[in-house]
Amino acid sequence: EIVLTQSPATLSLSPGERATLSCRASQSVSSYLAWYQQKPGQAPRLLIYDASNRATGIPARFSGSGSGTDFTLTISSLEPEDFAVYYCQQRSNWRGSFGQGTKLEIK
Amino acid sequence: EVQLVESGGGLVKPGGSLRLSCAASGFTFSSYSMNWVRQAPGKGLEWVSSISSSSSYIYYADSVKGRFTISRDNAKNSLYLQMNSLRAEDTAVYYCARLPNHTPVYYMDVWGKGTTVTVSS
Repeated sequence: EIVLTQSPATLSLSPGERATLSCRASQSVSSYLAWYQQKPGQAPRLLIYDASNRATGIPARFSGSGSGTDFTLTISSLEPEDFAVYYCQQRSNWRGSFGQGTKLEIK
Repeated sequence: EVQLVESGGGLVKPGGSLRLSCAASGFTFSSYSMNWVRQAPGKGLEWVSSISSSSSYIYYADSVKGRFTISRDNAKNSLYLQMNSLRAEDTAVYYCARLPNHTPVYYMDVWGKGTTVTVSS
């Protein structure tokens, strides 16, 4: 079973700053990694799939990179609406497991 | 507008049963595989079950295998999750989500707002 580990657990930044979130897989997932954003009381929203492809309607300030076991979600300049919890998810024979999440909070 | 709307959640006693439904609209439901994903209070996301477009392939998380049954009715544009032998640890918000036609199948591009299941005596 592939385990995803996200870091840091909490990231405190100010609007306008750059955010870098990490997701590490216990074994290679090739480029089959997705990122989701979840705000309190809302469903998750797909941001990135296949490590670096932005989903429809996602602003260009969100970008993803990586392959194999190490992946990064970057938000180039934080907007107030970006403060949320972010999850990575990998593909594993349909049993797509999630990381534990990174909470991005306002400093 | 592409939309998924879950229903059927509620309060149930341990050992009880519940059937969740997910109504799809705005897209050709019969062409897409679907997932159920849950989130316990204050916790992260947990994949629960998947079903392919024609119900040929069905998968379950180990935590629910033998207790939950996923199904769909393409004529009714609906997805279901029959939950039996419910436990306190099944308490969560349950989301249905669409799996786009991508190879491999894994990420979810459309999510419902969720329905809350509480298992308590």
